[in-house]
Amino acid sequence: QVQLQESGPGLVKPSQTLSLTCTVSGASIRSGDYYWTWIRQPPEKGLESIGYIDYSGSTYYTPSLNSRVTISVDTSKNQFSLRLSSVTAADTAVYYCATWGSREAFDFWGQGTMVTVSS
Amino acid sequence: QSVLTQPPSASGTPGQRVTISCSGSSSNIGSNTVNWYQQLPGTAPKLLIYSNNLRPSGVPDRFSGSKSGASASLAISGLQSEDEADYYCAAWDDSLNGVVFGGGTKLTVL
Repeated sequence: QVQLQESGPGLVKPSQTLSLTCTVSGASIRSGDYYWTWIRQPPEKGLESIGYIDYSGSTYYTPSLNSRVTISVDTSKNQFSLRLSSVTAADTAVYYCATWGSREAFDFWGQGTMVTVSS
Repeated sequence: QSVLTQPPSASGTPGQRVTISCSGSSSNIGSNTVNWYQQLPGTAPKLLIYSNNLRPSGVPDRFSGSKSGASASLAISGLQSEDEADYYCAAWDDSLNGVVFGGGTKLTVL
């Protein structure tokens, strides 16, 4: 059973960079079994896929966020990370890390971490 | 505005059967499989249905999915109070080269 845990600051100032890390247990990021993904959910709103990275470092970012997003992987720590630059209040959301596996679905999810953008 | 269209709300009484629709286009539902997620209040979403109609282990067979053309449906039979949650459909979109979600349907058990 894959387990995921998000970590990072809960408050970020406007125009700064949001940085989150997802620690993976129960699977190796090197295994190639999953795409490692980030998804967010603004308060009282629906889900939005942010992007993903695979074990080789290949990435995909949703077009609306492409210019501000970077997803990276640290195989030595079995972690992957999200950086979102130039944040505004519209980036306030619960951020989830999740796996995309052979079922072609988001199989496993972290519990989510709330990030508020405010001065 | 979400790429996939779901009704914002649905409701039913215990024991009833309810269905939730999800409408897309040829670039997503029309050419790829549909997944459904259940989000109980205050929790992370959970995979409920994958590949249009398959259930992960542990998901009761009261939950079923179907797909026809560029639309999909989630059916819940024998409705229970613990089914009260938000339900999201999702599919890969070939034009966007990424996963798109529906806006979610809030299910109320009366």
